[in-house]
Amino acid sequence: DFVMTQTPLSLSVTPGQPASISCKSSQSLLHSDGKTYLYWYLQKPGQPPQLLIYEVSNRFSGVPDRFSGSGSGTDFTLKISRVEAEDVGDYYCMQSIQFPVTFGQGTRLEI
Amino acid sequence: EVQLVESGGGLVQPGGSLRLSCAASGFTVSSNYMNWVRQAPGKGLEWVSLIYSGGGTYYADSVKGRFTISRDNSKNTLYLQMNSLTTEDTAVYYCASSFDIWGQGTMVTVSS
Repeated sequence: DFVMTQTPLSLSVTPGQPASISCKSSQSLLHSDGKTYLYWYLQKPGQPPQLLIYEVSNRFSGVPDRFSGSGSGTDFTLKISRVEAEDVGDYYCMQSIQFPVTFGQGTRLEI
Repeated sequence: EVQLVESGGGLVQPGGSLRLSCAASGFTVSSNYMNWVRQAPGKGLEWVSLIYSGGGTYYADSVKGRFTISRDNSKNTLYLQMNSLTTEDTAVYYCASSFDIWGQGTMVTVSS
């Protein structure tokens, strides 16, 4: 199975400051079709996960541009340029290049 | 508006069965691949099962042979039949369309 490892597991950020979360995969997420199947989600307290970024760096519809994703192969990063109070929650990376689909352990962002 | 609404959760004894439903609106379940993902209390996300638009299905090893994913195109609804439930299956179960749109989830509690 593809093991997804996130760091840090928790993050405390002052509003207006940047934040960064790393996600490392045990194997390359680059598919033969040229796409890299790495997603980022935010799960706000008491809510289902919401998609932020798909295929490494594409922001999903309605996601603020303060969120950005980067990386390739096995190393990926989610960056928040200026954290806002509404960004509190658990962040997960996920790979879907191979079954079983697997998630990182999650990173809790606090203000 | 694209929406997914899960139902069918509840309290069931170990060894029992439950069928979850996920009603879709704003799109057709047969046009996308659909997933079930679960989250045990206080834990992270765990993928459970996927069904492709062509009908192919995949399962996590933890549920293989016990859970069955299916859909009813006429009702535009996704299902998860869960048999031989154990306490380890206690979780909120989410359905998700192509991993972008998620429902609010339905709680399944397996306890005697």
